[in-house]
Amino acid sequence: EDQVTQSPEALRLQEGESSSLNCSYTVSGLRGLFWYRQDPGKGPEFLFTLYSAGEEKEKERLKATLTKKESFLHITAPKPEDSATYLCAVQAWWDNAGNMLTFGGGTRLMVKP
Amino acid sequence: NAGVTQTPKFQVLKTGQSMTLQCAQDMNHNSMYWYRQDPGMGLRLIYYSASEGTTDKGEVPNGYNVSRLNKREFSLRLESAAPSQTSVYFCASAIESTDTQYFGPGTRLTVL
Repeated sequence: EDQVTQSPEALRLQEGESSSLNCSYTVSGLRGLFWYRQDPGKGPEFLFTLYSAGEEKEKERLKATLTKKESFLHITAPKPEDSATYLCAVQAWWDNAGNMLTFGGGTRLMVKP
Repeated sequence: NAGVTQTPKFQVLKTGQSMTLQCAQDMNHNSMYWYRQDPGMGLRLIYYSASEGTTDKGEVPNGYNVSRLNKREFSLRLESAAPSQTSVYFCASAIESTDTQYFGPGTRLTVL
């Protein structure tokens, strides 16, 4: 059974204070690992897809990295507008259930000015 | 280009009532999905449609039915609502089932 664990559950940062969010996963053959951002009362917004260990992707202050067991979302010099819940999900090669995504519980990030 | 749209945004039902949640996408995607999101449980797949004309069960299908009306629309029906179905429901779509999924704004459902 695929499993995704995100840590910490909540993270408070001061504006400009860089940090990382962790996503640990177990999956029988990783097809892709996805990062989403979710604002309160809204649907998840796609950020990145990573496919193989060593891959990195960047978007503004966010950088996602992938190893064989975990992914990190690095936030450099965050701003208050980066406050949101960040969701990690995995998709397995073997899965014939529509290539379903298995989600972690999310990390709620709060950036104080 | 509205992406994925869902109606209604909010709904309150009494136990035993029925209702249909509507989802539509204008991105010409083949695959569509219904998820529910509960505190502490994350997002869980209810049903999906890999392509027009097909539907299959996901992780938590009990108490729900779906209809892929056409390529654009995928509806979720609760035949006899129960308090355990109180949740936020999200529809998503993808070009193909192996591709990135894009989510709608959600429907917040309360069953009393």
